[in-house]
Amino acid sequence: SAVISQKPSRDICQRGTSLTIQCQVDSQVTMMFWYRQQPGQSLTLIATANQGSEATYESGFVIDKFPISRPNLTFSTLTVSNMSPEDSSIYLCSVGTGEGYEQYFGPGTRLTVT
Amino acid sequence: SQELEQSPQSLIVQEGKNLTINCTSSKTLYGLYWYKQKYGEGLIFLMMLQKGGEEKSHEKITAKLDEKKQQSSLHITASQPSHAGIYLCGADFTSGTYKYIFGTGTRLKVLA
Repeated sequence: SAVISQKPSRDICQRGTSLTIQCQVDSQVTMMFWYRQQPGQSLTLIATANQGSEATYESGFVIDKFPISRPNLTFSTLTVSNMSPEDSSIYLCSVGTGEGYEQYFGPGTRLTVT
Repeated sequence: SQELEQSPQSLIVQEGKNLTINCTSSKTLYGLYWYKQKYGEGLIFLMMLQKGGEEKSHEKITAKLDEKKQQSSLHITASQPSHAGIYLCGADFTSGTYKYIFGTGTRLKVLA
């Protein structure tokens, strides 16, 4: 398993602004992912954060809205750009470390956009 | 349409009672993963199932995967208030990937 931290844990932001969420892992991992959990909903994968190259985005998510950085094997950031109230969600990062493709999740960042 | 359905959506049980949560896939899956989420927080990994007919236990929680690899159940024996939270199943449908589809979640409340 891995110990994962996220910053900030929560934030309230005004529409039109941007927020950058940080994800730090206590060990080097190859696979890092970013998920969104909208209120009362399940998790949806936003993108795979690739170290040293551009992130791989899932259908419905674009780099201009959710730019991702992965400068090394222990750290990644997700920026939520030009926010609207519809972006109010919990954003979670996860890592894949196991042989069986299980993922371990960070504590999440609760974002409220007003 | 949702590829992974969970039932029930919510559950309220008296402390000490047994309960079962189901996760049903519309197609054969490669791996099935159970997580617990405390309200508004991150996910805690519980168990992973990959083989048809596989069963795993951890403390009072047992998870099973059917032979067809389309349905999994999570059983809690003698529930406690500490078991309360949202239980999520996740599955990958392609061999050797981390791309999960998550179920709709089951919200469990245990009354002391």
